[in-house]
Amino acid sequence: DTEVTQTPKHLVMGMTNKKSLKCEQHMGHRAMYWYKQKAKKPPELMFVYSYEKLSINESVPSRFSPECPNSSLLNLHLHALQPEDSALYLCASSDPGMTYEQYFGPGTRLTVT
Amino acid sequence: KNEVEQSPQNLTAQEGEFITINCSYSVGISALHWLQQHPGGGIVSLFMLSSGKKKHGRLIATINIQEKHSSLHITASHPRDSAVYICAVETSGSRLTFGEGTQLTVNP
Repeated sequence: DTEVTQTPKHLVMGMTNKKSLKCEQHMGHRAMYWYKQKAKKPPELMFVYSYEKLSINESVPSRFSPECPNSSLLNLHLHALQPEDSALYLCASSDPGMTYEQYFGPGTRLTVT
Repeated sequence: KNEVEQSPQNLTAQEGEFITINCSYSVGISALHWLQQHPGGGIVSLFMLSSGKKKHGRLIATINIQEKHSSLHITASHPRDSAVYICAVETSGSRLTFGEGTQLTVNP
């Protein structure tokens, strides 16, 4: 299984809502990533978890809260978002013991109204 | 100046043409990645290389570490190759620095 899955595919939320994005992989990878991608721009790194510990936070606003409950699962909790947070949110995973080749999920298209 | 520069930004080709996309970088790297992103979002890793050349089907990637330059070639291009191609360099640990991408359109 070389797949990274993400749910939901699409999400529309109001600025006062609380929602979560979910990412799952069963490749035994011990590094997992959240990226944000705006239209016609490359992905921007948000967070990296390595061995279930947060290792990189790219100064992301606290309205985005990552969580890694176990080595296969990565969540991104969203609260009080702004319309400018509307974007494609991509999850990726890699095996830091062997190579940093990253496997990407299909993304969640988020619209904040 | 971006640490990773790609050219061209946009490329239109006729089916069957040989295509080259270039990537230059200005930092020390441990590896370089070529990624493909189709409309709709999903990103696929095409190559990861730290020296020399790799080939997969009609795709070839080369890297010249001394010149800090990499190329992605597509032979016998096909409309299904239409996508955004992104060059990314691996600097420290698990961090990738991305180029702005090249939008490739292959017309039948």
